[in-house]
Amino acid sequence: DQQVKQNSPSLSVQEGRISILNCDYTNSMFDYFLWYKKYPAEGPTFLISISSIKDKNEDGRFTVFLNKSAKHLSLHIVPSQPGDSAVYFCAASFLNRDDKIIFGKGTRLHILP
Amino acid sequence: NAGVMQNPRHLVRRRGQEARLRCSPMKGHSHVYWYRQLPEEGLKFMVYLQKENIIDESGMPKERFSAEFPKEGPSILRIQQVVRGDSAAYFCASSKARTETQYFGPGTRLLVL
Repeated sequence: DQQVKQNSPSLSVQEGRISILNCDYTNSMFDYFLWYKKYPAEGPTFLISISSIKDKNEDGRFTVFLNKSAKHLSLHIVPSQPGDSAVYFCAASFLNRDDKIIFGKGTRLHILP
Repeated sequence: NAGVMQNPRHLVRRRGQEARLRCSPMKGHSHVYWYRQLPEEGLKFMVYLQKENIIDESGMPKERFSAEFPKEGPSILRIQQVVRGDSAAYFCASSKARTETQYFGPGTRLLVL
């Protein structure tokens, strides 16, 4: 049973525009959410996170929005750059209960020139 | 400060052989996590270890798989009598403390012939 869902396997965005990656989750007990970026043949790299007590966290070009009532989060990248082309994994955890991170299947982002 | 190191990066085994995957955490990190990524899937948690202790192995198959993190040396994920379904990328992550960000290694790609 997929607790973290990324329904778009891929997304293409023009360079300079905004990239919006979406993620839904089913377990309302998750209290911490993360986004990881992964290039081929490399491990995932931590990008940005958000606690369930917040609804927005911003770091440079990256902003994560959390809508707890809809069990939905999104990652906004603006402006999109060629180096942003990668697979993005949405992930969630129970910070105060255990340590495992539960990942979505990922969305492959292509930044078009 | 070197990141998480994993070796080998690629491992080919025949059915029935043993696979040993090694992970050296980042300097100063004493928490190690193993994840498996099957093709077209997200990463799935397998096991969480601290030095000399297995804390959570709820994601690890009950048979053929074992993990250790000795006092000295890297963490080892051992798969006995490999089968074709074990073919996957195995990622190790480490963190400084239980609730801190997990940093991933480049992964070991296991291919079972």
